[in-house]
Amino acid sequence: ELKVEQNPLFLSMQEEKNYTIYCNYSTTSDRLYWYRQDPGKSLESLFVLLSNGAVKQEGRLMASLDTKARLSTLHITAAVHDLSATYFCAALLRDNYGQNFVFGPGTRLSVLP
Amino acid sequence: KAGVTQTPRYLIKTRGQQVTLSCSPISGHRSVSWYQQTPGQGLQFLFEYFSETQRNKGNFPGRFSGRQFSNSRSEMNVSTLELGDSALYLCASRIATDTQYFGPGTRLTVL
Repeated sequence: ELKVEQNPLFLSMQEEKNYTIYCNYSTTSDRLYWYRQDPGKSLESLFVLLSNGAVKQEGRLMASLDTKARLSTLHITAAVHDLSATYFCAALLRDNYGQNFVFGPGTRLSVLP
Repeated sequence: KAGVTQTPRYLIKTRGQQVTLSCSPISGHRSVSWYQQTPGQGLQFLFEYFSETQRNKGNFPGRFSGRQFSNSRSEMNVSTLELGDSALYLCASRIATDTQYFGPGTRLTVL
């Protein structure tokens, strides 16, 4: 079964703290995507990770990919309120019918003052 | 470059009716995917079209169908609407296996 899991599903953190969101996927994939969704809005692309060991950073967010462990992480450094949103990871997974983007359930992040 | 556009943005229908949603991808993007987002089920893949051909399909009943035109614009149709079809329907376009760019979505409410 093609499956993407995220941990935690809910995250409440104080400003200036650091935390990591984990994303596991069930089958081989060398492409992992992170998206952000604000309430009532569509999805905004954050990162595309294309190979094992890939690391990308944008502001206070850093994403990495370990294809052998089928694991991606999204690290938040010194959180600020503007980062409050739901974060989704998605893996490009292949089954007998082709390849498909499979999304995780999302991690709802609240950054509290 | 203009982003992905979806019309209409909001729609209210009653059970048993049918609905057609439209998506215009980013210029040059030939792949268009459709997703259903609900609070309970999250983001679920409906189908993907590439060069007017359905390339992949999610686990949805046959009431959900789609098509793509030669200009890459895509439509999805839901027939015999049910209350559970109320959702945000998102369209995304991409080039090859590059990142997907999402439209603003169509919020469908079925009464």
